[in-house]
Amino acid sequence: DAGVIQSPRHEVTEMGQEVTLRCKPISGHNSLFWYRQTMMRGLELLIYFNNNVPIDDSGMPEDRFSAKMPNASFSTLKIQPSEPRDSAVYFCASSRRAVTGGGETQYFGPGTRLLVL
Amino acid sequence: GNSVTQMEGPVTLSEEAFLTINCTYTATGYPSLFWYVQYPGEGLQLLLKATKADDKGSNKGFEATYRKETTSFHLEKGSVQVSDSAVYFCALSEGSNDYKLSFGAGTTVTVRA
Repeated sequence: DAGVIQSPRHEVTEMGQEVTLRCKPISGHNSLFWYRQTMMRGLELLIYFNNNVPIDDSGMPEDRFSAKMPNASFSTLKIQPSEPRDSAVYFCASSRRAVTGGGETQYFGPGTRLLVL
Repeated sequence: GNSVTQMEGPVTLSEEAFLTINCTYTATGYPSLFWYVQYPGEGLQLLLKATKADDKGSNKGFEATYRKETTSFHLEKGSVQVSDSAVYFCALSEGSNDYKLSFGAGTTVTVRA
């Protein structure tokens, strides 16, 4: 079974450009997460979707960041305009959340390494 | 709020050595506890987990026991291999936002042949 798929794996862009990161969660999973990993701040949850609905976007840094999940098999994270401080590894993760919740395993994709010059 | 503190690295070991990575947590209720591993250039993978006190999670020779009295979830392996070189993250989820994982800072482990 395929795991979480992310594209692109690497992205180099110039400051001010729009960046779109893509994620395909594991089939049958109803929860999707976007994380950012940096040396300084570690792993940060940016946004959480459940059944395609954004539940918690408190981690989204600012209005330059937006995320969508138009259907159960696809999500995007967009940065517009991008800035050098956005350089990081962005991970998508998915899980199957039961009604009672709690303790479920999150499955991470390989990440997108973003460099903004 | 919830938080996880794990021992700072990097940790360098010889093959077949014993590995311990300490992890302690702060939570208001009864969290689920996890160890994730990140190999170079890859995403995080679940290594093991425990969802209630005194549970022991185990996988690939690694073990960790959920100790409520000491609020700890230390990771151990009796004999490490070069292939165990990775970054290890302790994490918890708890409470009304139990989807949200609080991660420790990560411990880099290097095993030398």
